[in-house]
Amino acid sequence: QSALTQPASVSGSPGQSITISCTGTSSDIGAYTYVSWYQQHPGKAPKLIMFDVTTRPSGVSSRFSGSRSGTTASLTISGLQAEDEAVYYCNSYTRQGTLIFGGGTKLTVL
Amino acid sequence: EVQLVESGGGVVHPGGSLRLSCAASGFTFDDYVMHWVRQVPGKGLEWVSLIAGVGGVISYEDSVKGRFTISRDNSKTTLYLQMNSLRPEDSALYYCVRDKYSYGPRYYFDHWGQGTLVTVPS
Repeated sequence: QSALTQPASVSGSPGQSITISCTGTSSDIGAYTYVSWYQQHPGKAPKLIMFDVTTRPSGVSSRFSGSRSGTTASLTISGLQAEDEAVYYCNSYTRQGTLIFGGGTKLTVL
Repeated sequence: EVQLVESGGGVVHPGGSLRLSCAASGFTFDDYVMHWVRQVPGKGLEWVSLIAGVGGVISYEDSVKGRFTISRDNSKTTLYLQMNSLRPEDSALYYCVRDKYSYGPRYYFDHWGQGTLVTVPS
């Protein structure tokens, strides 16, 4: 199964909002609300920042929000801060009982 | 504090085998689903396999099915990945990951180890 589709890069200035899309199919994102997002800084392990499409784990800033429409999930970061610069990955459960990641999106804070 | 410490990585020739281990501590090990996720340095994440805490649910990514075997020893709080018939494309940093929950299908990667590097030269 091919990876979920994410833009390779996005950018924004401090204080602005950005949205990262994650497009799948009717066999993954379109079939379940089991979508999650991960933030990875260079040299570090990924960190869970969103699950069940819209739920933030304890300790994750409310500037992060998630949504889903059809076969596309989205992560929005408002009030961009320098520390948000990282690579972001989406993930979904699939009808085959497996899990699939997106290719990753590098966020640059200008 | 949740701790996951991977070991067993190394350099192995194509067709060879390796067994990765992940020593877990800081939580009730058999209460959680565990995963292996890999990442080629500088590239994206790829889920490899999962195993339920109890009850036998196991799943694999298609490219490793039939070659890799995930297992766990709850008495030793250790997760394993037996990797056979290794290929150059299996070269990656392999992360041991604890799920947020005890069972699926809501699988989320909640705690990550630091990874162990597997290299299969072409």
